[in-house]
Amino acid sequence: SAVISQKPSRDICQRGTSLTIQCQVDSQVTMMFWYRQQPGQSLTLIATANQGSEATYESGFVIDKFPISRPNLTFSTLTVSNMSPEDSSIYLCSVEVVAGGPAAYNEQFFGPGTRLTVL
Amino acid sequence: QKEVEQNSGPLSVPEGAIASLNCTYSDRVSQSFFWYRQYSGKSPELIMSIYSNGDKEDGRFTAQLNKASQYVSLLIRDSQPSDSATYLCAVNRWTGANNLFFGTGTRLTVIP
Repeated sequence: SAVISQKPSRDICQRGTSLTIQCQVDSQVTMMFWYRQQPGQSLTLIATANQGSEATYESGFVIDKFPISRPNLTFSTLTVSNMSPEDSSIYLCSVEVVAGGPAAYNEQFFGPGTRLTVL
Repeated sequence: QKEVEQNSGPLSVPEGAIASLNCTYSDRVSQSFFWYRQYSGKSPELIMSIYSNGDKEDGRFTAQLNKASQYVSLLIRDSQPSDSATYLCAVNRWTGANNLFFGTGTRLTVIP
């Protein structure tokens, strides 16, 4: 597995502002992902954070709203821009660890999450 | 049809019993299947992964996979109150990256 930290752990923000969430892992990993978990719901993949290139976004998520940086193999940031109350959620980063065998067998481990409340 | 479906529960079992959690998925080409445990207010924790048809055992946990029926299950033997959590089933889809799709989770309560 890997040791993953996120900052901040929680925040309360005003509508229209932006928040940048940091994700740090204790070893170099090829793949990092960002998820959202809305209250009482499961995890939804926002994007894959690609090192050295633009992130790959899932349907329904766009770069202007959720810009992502991945400057190296141990760090990534997710910004939630121009926030509204609908953005209130837990944001989680995950990293992929090689499990042996095909790449499809690789395992994902999650950071502790950032609980965001937008007023 | 949802990518990954689970009964939301809640599922209640007495301490010491076997808890059985079920999951079905829609994408026939999925290759890897994972069970995560999520305690309230915490992030998901990987507890089991399975790739081949049949059973995989790890301590009190057994994952079962039937690709023909597109069905994954998790059995927890000798359930303990500390097993009370939401269990998330995740299934991969290869899209250039190994993306995971999650079910909505089954909330398990183990009654002392």
